[in-house]
Amino acid sequence: AQSVTQLGSHVSVSEGALVLLRCNYSSSVPPYLFWYVQYPNQGLQLLLKYTTGATLVKGINGFEAEFKKSETSFHLTKPSAHMSDAAEYFCAVRGATNTGNQFYFGTGTSLTVIP
Amino acid sequence: EAQVTQNPRYLITVTGKKLTVTCSQNMNHEYMSWYRQDPGLGLRQIYYSMNVEVTDKGDVPEGYKVSRKEKRNFPLILESPSPNQTSLYFCASRGLAGTGTGELFFGEGSRLTVL
Repeated sequence: AQSVTQLGSHVSVSEGALVLLRCNYSSSVPPYLFWYVQYPNQGLQLLLKYTTGATLVKGINGFEAEFKKSETSFHLTKPSAHMSDAAEYFCAVRGATNTGNQFYFGTGTSLTVIP
Repeated sequence: EAQVTQNPRYLITVTGKKLTVTCSQNMNHEYMSWYRQDPGLGLRQIYYSMNVEVTDKGDVPEGYKVSRKEKRNFPLILESPSPNQTSLYFCASRGLAGTGTGELFFGEGSRLTVL
């Protein structure tokens, strides 16, 4: 079975500061990894994903994440936080076979950006 | 525009009164799924469907039913709602064909309150 752990259910950063949201996964096979963002009163939208190839993945809105197999981690970063980044962020893992594999989500991290 | 549409977005009902939350996608996706989101618990899968007439239980199926008679639609049925089913519900879909990474596309959510 696969699982995802997001350390820190709430993270606060100052505007302009580094954003670091942590995600660790457990998987017996190489996974596909995803970060989703949820703005208030909206559904989840894809920020970025790792499937194969380059382990540093760039997403929308200046976010990026690095897949570290040895650490089973996929932490999300952004060099400089903006007020519009305030949202809930979810890390998710899925087996690498497209069919027959379910998504497993972390419990989410709520990001607050302080002016 | 590619989208997943859920209705209603907001609903208040009373214990025992049957209700249906509809979900429709226009991306010709084979896979559709329902999640519920509760504070501190993240997203938990209720039911999923790999294709028409093929459905299976997720992690929290008790008290819910689904059907998949058409590829584009995947309604969630609460035959006798109870207060513990008060939650935010998301429908999601993804393609299974080929070697696509098959990320999930989410609807905007349906907030259900059962009194």
